[in-house]
Amino acid sequence: DTAVSQTPKYLVTQMGNDKSIKCEQNLGHDTMYWYKQDSKKFLKIMFSYNNKELIINETVPNRFSPKSPDKAHLNLHINSLELGDSAVYFCASSHAAGNEKLFFGSGTQLSVL
Amino acid sequence: DAKTTQPPSMDCAEGRAANLPCNHSTISGNEYVYWYRQIHSQGPQYIIHGLKNNETNEMASLIITEDRKSSTLILPHATLRDTAVYYCIVRVAGAGNMLTFGGGTRLMVKP
Repeated sequence: DTAVSQTPKYLVTQMGNDKSIKCEQNLGHDTMYWYKQDSKKFLKIMFSYNNKELIINETVPNRFSPKSPDKAHLNLHINSLELGDSAVYFCASSHAAGNEKLFFGSGTQLSVL
Repeated sequence: DAKTTQPPSMDCAEGRAANLPCNHSTISGNEYVYWYRQIHSQGPQYIIHGLKNNETNEMASLIITEDRKSSTLILPHATLRDTAVYYCIVRVAGAGNMLTFGGGTRLMVKP
């Protein structure tokens, strides 16, 4: 069983579309995260979500919104996609907020055309 | 979080020890040193962390200098599969804010 799984692995879409990336963890962790890795390979934190408390990196546009139906899932919704949104998006989880041992998914490569 | 400095790239021969340095001269007393790596096309993977004592696990060893201003991650017998970007991160454990990654060191293990 994959500990942190993301779907889809690849996502190709047109500018202006709305898309979602799903993430599920089976580790029983309390906190989940979304990271973005751009073409220069820098990993940037986007969101942290723990027990319905959302912490947002202030640089993330409000077109991006995480949705957590339950503790094991944190989906990423992106509205009005732009070319600059093309990147690899990683979901991660940890036992608790501030626990630095994160478990990452294998990533979703988003290409906006 | 304390700032860290790592060389952008390093090479290592297969079977030899890979020693990856990290400078963190502004580290404070309650900040830990964490190491992650990212193999191509995969998500980052936690390796090891420590406060001031040297640490060892099944993946690697972490050596922290006595003044804690620098550390070295050691892969004792590097294999081709250890080719990856290695990230050194310094932060207070349980700080509550989100883990951030710098540029890291790209380690190339060569046959």
